[in-house]
Amino acid sequence: AQTVTQSQPEMSVQEAETVTLSCTYDTSESDYYLFWYKQPPSRQMILVIRQEAYKQQNATENRFSVNFQKAAKSFSLKISDSQLGDAAMYFCAASSGDKLTFGTGTRLAVRP
Amino acid sequence: DTGVSQDPRHKITKRGQNVTFRCDPISEHNRLYWYRQTLGQGPEFLTYFQNEAQLEKSRLLSDRFSAERPKGSFSTLEIQRTEQGDSAMYLCASSLVPSGSTEAFFGQGTRLTVV
Repeated sequence: AQTVTQSQPEMSVQEAETVTLSCTYDTSESDYYLFWYKQPPSRQMILVIRQEAYKQQNATENRFSVNFQKAAKSFSLKISDSQLGDAAMYFCAASSGDKLTFGTGTRLAVRP
Repeated sequence: DTGVSQDPRHKITKRGQNVTFRCDPISEHNRLYWYRQTLGQGPEFLTYFQNEAQLEKSRLLSDRFSAERPKGSFSTLEIQRTEQGDSAMYLCASSLVPSGSTEAFFGQGTRLTVV
């Protein structure tokens, strides 16, 4: 079984600034994947970034990067140069190859 | 192909009625998932299919719920004798395995309101 915990229900960032969203997880699997999904008000979940647990290098996708600390079971998301369009719910999720287990989400507000 | 499609987008029903939702996955995807999302929560896994075979069902999926994927393409999720606690967003997702990434693509969901 896997559990995913997001301890920040809401976060706020000034446009063009950087924000970090926290996520911790627990799993008994040795091979797993970690994801950050974005859910804008229209409700469709969109994949932001993914990390394979066997890879030590942190994943990066343009302005989005992760800090993956395997021993600490921590997987935080850093958003650089925040834009108004980044405002959404962000969900951290874990998978061992089948279903996804999600956290409760962090609502990110971006101040103009 | 424009992604995962769900129908209807919204459904209001009276308690005790049956409802059925449809999901059309991305055409080449062999896995199809159903999740339920209640307000302020993350999606919770309900069930998934590999082609037409239903491989896993969550304990959340009571005997009032049934899902099918008869030809390994679209899927239906039926809820019988709906209860107010069934009010939620029902999300469908699909993926292609093995693909190395296990990335799931989500539809826009069906919002169910039981009155």
